[in-house]
Amino acid sequence: GAGVSQSPRYKVTKRGQDVALRCDPISGHVSLYWYRQALGQGPEFLTYFNYEAQQDKSGLPNDRFSAERPEGSISTLTIQRTEQRDSAMYRCASSYGLAGDTGELFFGEGSRLTVL
Amino acid sequence: LAKTTQPISMDSYEGQEVNITCSHNNIATNDYITWYQQFPSQGPRFIIQGYKTKVTNEVASLFIPADRKSSTLSLPRVSLSDTAVYYCLFTGGGNKLTFGTGTQLKVEL
Repeated sequence: GAGVSQSPRYKVTKRGQDVALRCDPISGHVSLYWYRQALGQGPEFLTYFNYEAQQDKSGLPNDRFSAERPEGSISTLTIQRTEQRDSAMYRCASSYGLAGDTGELFFGEGSRLTVL
Repeated sequence: LAKTTQPISMDSYEGQEVNITCSHNNIATNDYITWYQQFPSQGPRFIIQGYKTKVTNEVASLFIPADRKSSTLSLPRVSLSDTAVYYCLFTGGGNKLTFGTGTQLKVEL
């Protein structure tokens, strides 16, 4: 596609429910990153992929968070048993080159998650 | 772990040149310095990247001294639309592309 697409743009859920956030990167982009951003803060690294391989998931807060990119394109970030502290903007970014190269990151519009 | 330090905020007026400095004492040999700009409710956007000396594009200039322990983003003749948060980070070193808290630039008339 023309840009990084994320869905849903807004998600309101009740505490304890599972949510899945989707990221469709720019076609042909090899690396894909997930970030979480709280209001007034910089993006917080969660995880990244080169192709379908998850290279680093050290930023995932706990085992309720998981991410996959099974075919090296679309990625899903899943949060199980959501808690109010999970409320944030979740941002996806992709890059043409491998993660760790110097390529420009292109960010999507983000998915705003609100847990009631 | 490589870390960057920037001022939390800066104020300027339209038409002035703004220089935002980022300190990075433990930058690695293969790290590049990259700056991103973020407007409210949008994702960060790439501005400029450099390794050493000076890089200039249509938006900004980036000055990196020989020891590479700091870098300065220079925005010429800012306008109100340059009000945003500016982040410096390392890229190219196989790291996680960690954003700090950034510098909130406010441009006034």
